Amino acid sequence: DAGVIQSPRHEVTEMGQEVTLRCKPISGHDYLFWYRQTMMRGLELLIYFNNNVPIDDSGMPEDRFSAKMPNASFSTLKIQPSEPRDSAVYFCASSFRRDRVTEAFFGQGTRLTVV
Amino acid sequence: AQSVTQLGSHVSVSEGALVLLRCNYSSSVPPYLFWYVQYPNQGLQLLLKYTSAATLVKGINGFEAEFKKSETSFHLTKPSAHMSDAAEYFCAVSGNYGGATNKLIFGTGTLLAVQP
Repeated sequence: DAGVIQSPRHEVTEMGQEVTLRCKPISGHDYLFWYRQTMMRGLELLIYFNNNVPIDDSGMPEDRFSAKMPNASFSTLKIQPSEPRDSAVYFCASSFRRDRVTEAFFGQGTRLTVV
Repeated sequence: AQSVTQLGSHVSVSEGALVLLRCNYSSSVPPYLFWYVQYPNQGLQLLLKYTSAATLVKGINGFEAEFKKSETSFHLTKPSAHMSDAAEYFCAVSGNYGGATNKLIFGTGTLLAVQP
């Protein structure tokens, strides 16, 4: 398996623009997580899905952030409008609930810079 | 609520020395505990996990961790550090809710430096 695939790897955008981050989870996995990593706040869970349904979005910082999972093989995280403080590395991870243990597999991340 | 605390944001050891990275957890249910490693500009990679079987867990690259319920700890160790071990290490917890959430909550990370 190719693992969790995220695109783009790097994104530079101007403040106010819309940004869409994409994720393809590992085939057969039923959980998908979006994390944000910054120096100041570390790894924060933004939202996660189970069987394409959002379960917990309490980590989404503002209404400017939205996430969708239209099918089992694709998810997006959208920021509209983007702000400089959104600059971070965004990770997508997926897992399969085997024996009630969540072992998450991470993508390479998208480094977002908002100028 | 669940959480993990990693003591020491930076740890420096000499090549060949013992590596000890500390993690304490807080959980209202029996926890599942994990250690992940992150190399520069990479995603996180699972090192090892505790799933309530053996309390001493062996992982990849010679790392191991011991679950101590009395101390609510899950410290990561390696007998002899290698230069290639230089990376950031994250402890994480998820809950054994028997059907509910499986989300991973991460600690703030420990950056390990290995000196020649």
